Amino acid sequence: EEQLLESGGGLVQPGGSLRLSCAASGFMFSNYAMSWVRQAPGKGLEWVSTFSRSGDKTYYADSVKGRFTISRDNSKSTLYLQMNLLRADDTAIYYCAKGSDAYIWGPGTTVTVSS
Amino acid sequence: DIQMTQSPSSLFASVGDRVTITCRASQNVSIYLAWFQQNPGRAPKSLIFGASSLRSWVPSKFSGSGSATDFTLTINDLQPEDSATYYCQQYKNYPLTFGGGTKVEI
Repeated sequence: EEQLLESGGGLVQPGGSLRLSCAASGFMFSNYAMSWVRQAPGKGLEWVSTFSRSGDKTYYADSVKGRFTISRDNSKSTLYLQMNLLRADDTAIYYCAKGSDAYIWGPGTTVTVSS
Repeated sequence: DIQMTQSPSSLFASVGDRVTITCRASQNVSIYLAWFQQNPGRAPKSLIFGASSLRSWVPSKFSGSGSATDFTLTINDLQPEDSATYYCQQYKNYPLTFGGGTKVEI
């Protein structure tokens, strides 16, 4: 069974950092692009970032560009999101998803940015 | 950026009804259009990709159609478990973009 499991969320002060992880299982991780999508409380879905299958391209939403960095370790079948200079409006549930068409989603990890 | 506009933003329907949700793209996205279902407190679940291809776990009462800028999601024989918020997403170009969502209540 194909599965994704996020971790690393928590409470952080404005200006702080967090690193999210997404452990994949049940499929050949290296063969797929992987994405992060977030959902602020009571709001809709917002795409955050994608790491290409080929491994040579990364894409970011304007709202996180320059603050967030997506990476992957194919040997560990794990996707990461390094989040720096966090702001209150980064508060959200962060989901990782398989592919740019979000074929499979993890259950999400909650990030709260507050003093 | 490609803007995705869904309508309606919410709807009430009865058991057994057929409902249609529309999604309009501000630019041609060909058939690079996906639909998702999200129940409260749960992660979204993929329903349709390529505008009209059902995921293997999705019952045939769900269907998608359209291309270029205009798309629809149709749910036949509405059941209580279909109460959810539905989102469209284009994956033709970056940044990937979602519609605002349609809340279906029964």
